[in-house]
Amino acid sequence: SQQGEEDPQALSIQEGENATMNCSYKTSINNLQWYRQNSGRGLVHLILIRSNEREKHSGRLRVTLDTSKKSSSLLITASRAADTASYFCATEGSGGYQKVTFGTGTKLQVIP
Amino acid sequence: GAVVSQHPSRVICKSGTSVKIECRSLDFQATTMFWYRQFPKQSLMLMATSNEGSKATYEQGVEKDKFLINHASLTLSTLTVTSAHPEDSSFYICSASGTIERGDTQYFGPGTRLTVL
Repeated sequence: SQQGEEDPQALSIQEGENATMNCSYKTSINNLQWYRQNSGRGLVHLILIRSNEREKHSGRLRVTLDTSKKSSSLLITASRAADTASYFCATEGSGGYQKVTFGTGTKLQVIP
Repeated sequence: GAVVSQHPSRVICKSGTSVKIECRSLDFQATTMFWYRQFPKQSLMLMATSNEGSKATYEQGVEKDKFLINHASLTLSTLTVTSAHPEDSSFYICSASGTIERGDTQYFGPGTRLTVL
């Protein structure tokens, strides 16, 4: 299975702190995406990083990708209570047409 | 970004009945749609991939006769859970992709929560 592993499984921080989540995967990829999911709701796409990219920024989000280590990290700076959600990485394998495999997820709680 | 809708958002049914879930791409033509299932506090697991006008490709362990997928048009795919049982209770999410370019973002629907009594 290519399902990614994310760590930590759960993270609790104070508002204003930075939150870092990591994702590891097993096989070669075309791209890696990060999604956010509020409890019981659908997914919100946050950012996509392609296999030939190493870092990408979007607002308070910073994503890195290390294909040699098959890992990625998502950094949320200056966290807010509204950032409380589960965060998933998802990889599109290089061998499968647009097939996306999700990681196990990190549950982030930002305490006001 | 593109919008994908799902209907219904919630459904409760009796064991043994069939339930149909619709997934629509509202402002683009989706050549490929994906169906995922998410159990409580778990990640999303891909169930099947469907291309418009052709049979769906099911992931290992997913019963194609139980989870019927129809992708009859470029804007609509349906998932029918046949003879539903309590263990089928889950959050079902579809996604749609509009181009064949690798790396194109999938647009996800809001999900359908199925509860089988």
